[in-house]
Amino acid sequence: SQTIHQWPATLVQPVGSPLSLECTVEGTSNPNLYWYRQAAGRGLQLLFYSVGIGQISSEVPQNLSASRPQDRQFILSSKKLLLSDSGFYLCAWSVQAVAGNTIYFGEGSWLTVV
Amino acid sequence: AQSVTQPDIHITVSEGASLELRCNYSYGATPYLFWYVQSPGQGLQLLLKYFSGDTLVQGIKGFEAEFKRSQSSFNLRKPSVHWSDAAEYFCAVGANQAGTALIFGKGTTLSVSS
Repeated sequence: SQTIHQWPATLVQPVGSPLSLECTVEGTSNPNLYWYRQAAGRGLQLLFYSVGIGQISSEVPQNLSASRPQDRQFILSSKKLLLSDSGFYLCAWSVQAVAGNTIYFGEGSWLTVV
Repeated sequence: AQSVTQPDIHITVSEGASLELRCNYSYGATPYLFWYVQSPGQGLQLLLKYFSGDTLVQGIKGFEAEFKRSQSSFNLRKPSVHWSDAAEYFCAVGANQAGTALIFGKGTTLSVSS
């Protein structure tokens, strides 16, 4: 069966520091990968999605970036965090090349920027 | 582009009472529709999904949802709510195109009173 792991689960970082959140998927190959952010009262905001290695689509302009160095690895990064980057970050995956495919989520990473 | 509206931010229901959570979508073609549930501090779990066929969809935990094209709605229902159903519920819409991400509503928080 497929599983998705993301880490760290909780992170407290000072303003201006870098960020790296990592996500890996097991039990499938060539998945679509996603990063969502959940801020209080704002629901789920799609940040990035990827349909393949090195292929990243950005949905919103911000100081975050994403990379996909391997087929089942998706990394969310920032060079300098802002207070507004605080939130709950969710990695997710879905089957490639299927329209309307179900998205499966990781357990999330809490980021607090202080 | 598709979009989702969940009109109710917070709903309180008595235990044993029926529940209906509203979801309206905007999409030019037949959408793929989903309901997810999120317990505090957790990732999202899929409750049910609609792709085609029968417009009444059964999901896990006794939930069901009905797709009404004429109203652009996909409301979630449960005949008798349990205290453990208290959580945040998200409706999502997917385009009929491979390689696209789901778009989520802002969520409805369900509280269950005894």
